[in-house]
Amino acid sequence: GEDVEQSLFLSVREGDSSVINCTYTDSSSTYLYWYKQEPGAGLQLLTYIFSNMDMKQDQRLTVLLNKKDKHLSLRIADTQTGDSAIYFCAESPPKATGTASKLTFGTGTRLQVTL
Amino acid sequence: EPEVTQTPSHQVTQMGQEVILRCVPISNHLYFYWYRQILGQKVEFLVSFYNNEISEKSEIFDDQFSVERPDGSNFTLKIRSTKLEDSAMYFCASSPAHSGSYNEQFFGPGTRLTVL
Repeated sequence: GEDVEQSLFLSVREGDSSVINCTYTDSSSTYLYWYKQEPGAGLQLLTYIFSNMDMKQDQRLTVLLNKKDKHLSLRIADTQTGDSAIYFCAESPPKATGTASKLTFGTGTRLQVTL
Repeated sequence: EPEVTQTPSHQVTQMGQEVILRCVPISNHLYFYWYRQILGQKVEFLVSFYNNEISEKSEIFDDQFSVERPDGSNFTLKIRSTKLEDSAMYFCASSPAHSGSYNEQFFGPGTRLTVL
């Protein structure tokens, strides 16, 4: 079945860049997502990338996709204390119109931003 | 901005009791989901729901679980006879109709279920 793996913890200093990595196994994944979870809150979609893209940039966020190695990364530039949260990588398989499609999540990476 | 809401935020129950977790998805969304996250583990898919029926369910979603959309707004998850291992955070999500495979799901804040 599908599997998504992430490292568990990352600590960076405020102002530095953070890079959170993810690997996945399902080669049919069409979209890959990054979600953020702050304490006591739900999962908030940060960004996504379609599987035929290599890179997507959205303000301070850069997503890189290496489809051959099934490796996804999220780079946060100029990391702030407000970026401290758990970051989840997720993938979804191809979805026919009119059908629902589940997300398969990674373990989540806890990002700690220090002063 | 519209959001998914869930009640209660925390539910404590005795083993063997029935619980109903409630969700109000975003009003124009058509697809509904339940996920759970056992403490320290991954967020796991339970079930998806569309057009008043289950689209897909995971192996976790056994006969003890059921979902219902009793009216036009609520989406509920019922666990008939809770077990200790059902203790988890339960997330509801909804997504609008999209053409193609893009599948942005909007998540609620979760209900923490504690089974004693």
